[in-house]
Amino acid sequence: DAGVIQSPRHEVTEMGQEVTLRCKPISGHDYLFWYRQTMMRGLELLIYFNNNVPIDDSGMPEDRFSAKMPNASFSTLKIQPSEPRDSAVYFCASSQSSAEAFFGQGTRLTVV
Amino acid sequence: SQKIEQNSEALNIQEGKTATLTCNYTNYSPAYLQWYRQDPGRGPVFLLLIRENEKEKRKERLKVTFDTTLKQSLFHITASQPADSATYLCALDTGRRALTFGSGTRLQVQP
Repeated sequence: DAGVIQSPRHEVTEMGQEVTLRCKPISGHDYLFWYRQTMMRGLELLIYFNNNVPIDDSGMPEDRFSAKMPNASFSTLKIQPSEPRDSAVYFCASSQSSAEAFFGQGTRLTVV
Repeated sequence: SQKIEQNSEALNIQEGKTATLTCNYTNYSPAYLQWYRQDPGRGPVFLLLIRENEKEKRKERLKVTFDTTLKQSLFHITASQPADSATYLCALDTGRRALTFGSGTRLQVQP
C-alpha cells in the first residue's frame, strides 16, 4: 500500500477563496483523522470518522470548516471562506480500530 | 483542564549517549500512550505504543516506560546517532478514540 495520500502538497490561496484538501486513507483502515499543525498550537485534532461516519468534530475551529467522507477511500476537508489564520500544515491520518495512526505527508496551506 | 506536556522544547546530546524525553499529562486516564517521530516537512511516524497495564516496552534501541501513578512516560533512545535527530511527539487516547498530541521535543544528536 502506498500509505495515506494527501493532495495537494502545497496550496497558496487568497483570503476569501474556497480551499479543498483531499485524502485517501490506507485500504482497510476504519478510522480517518484530520489534524492541523502550527508552531503556536502544535498538532490539533480537527475531526475524525469511523466507518465513514463523523464521530467527533469538536476540534473544527468554526463553521467555515467542513469535512466529508463519502466512501471508505476518500475524504475532503473544506475551508470556505479561507482566512490568513488558517495557514498551517493539514495532516490526514488513518488507523485500524483506533490503534497506531499512519499519517500522510500533509498539505501546507498558505492563505494570503 | 486536560494537558499533555513534553518536558523540553529541545534536547542536544552527543552521539552514543542515551537520550531521555519526558511526557507528563494531567486530568487524563489514557488506555494507552504512543510515541511518534516527525522529521521536517513530513508527517509523524509511529514508533511505540504502551498500554496502561504495561510498565515498559522496548523496540531495538528504543524504550518507553509508563507510570500511571506519576502520570508520566519516559522515552529513551540508547546509543544515539545523528540520524535520530528529529522531533518526538507523545500522544494519548483521551477517551474520544482519537489521539491528542503533546507539543514535541526536538532532539539534536551531535556527531
